[in-house]
Amino acid sequence: EVQLVESGGGLVKPGGSLRLSCVASGFTFSSYSMDWVRQAPGKGLEWVSSITSGSTYIDYADSVKGRFTISRDNAKNSLYLQMNGLRAEDTAVYYCARDLHRCVFDSWGQGTLVTVSS
Amino acid sequence: QSALTQPASVSGSPGQSITISCTGTSSDIGGYIYVSWYQQHPGKAPKLMIYEVTNRPSGVPDRFSGSKSGNTASLTISGLQAEDEADYYCTSYTSSNSYVFGTGTKVSVL
Repeated sequence: EVQLVESGGGLVKPGGSLRLSCVASGFTFSSYSMDWVRQAPGKGLEWVSSITSGSTYIDYADSVKGRFTISRDNAKNSLYLQMNGLRAEDTAVYYCARDLHRCVFDSWGQGTLVTVSS
Repeated sequence: QSALTQPASVSGSPGQSITISCTGTSSDIGGYIYVSWYQQHPGKAPKLMIYEVTNRPSGVPDRFSGSKSGNTASLTISGLQAEDEADYYCTSYTSSNSYVFGTGTKVSVL
């Protein structure tokens, strides 16, 4: 069974940093692209970032470009999101998702809540 | 990249059919077959319902179907059931090599 488990969320002050992790199991992690998708409280889904299986191609939403960094460690079956320069508008539940191909997110984690507030 | 436009809410009675529209541009929906639909129940993670405009993943009931015309994609739920009450989001690949989600539609079963 495919499982994705996020961690690392919490309360952080504006301008602060946080690193999210997503541990995968039940499939060959190194064969799949992975993405981060977020959802602000009571709002819709927003794609954040994508990384290919070998980390060759990485993309970001304009709203996080230059502040967030996606990475992965295939030996540890783990996906990461380093978030710097956090703003109130980054407050959201962050989901990691397996990306089969071009927005086909077939498996999702349960999400981790990031709250940016003073 | 602006969010794709969906109606805020759609409702129907059990057994009826409803259609949710998702309008974008020639740089996203209109330019590619890469349109997916997700169902999200309150407090839960999204679930893939349709991919590449018309394809259903294994396990998704065949009362869910997708289509596209020009810059607008649509999700139709036939034979509406109580468990279909949820939020639905479309998403598309874009010419910027990114993805964009729709604004979301709340489906209510009367």
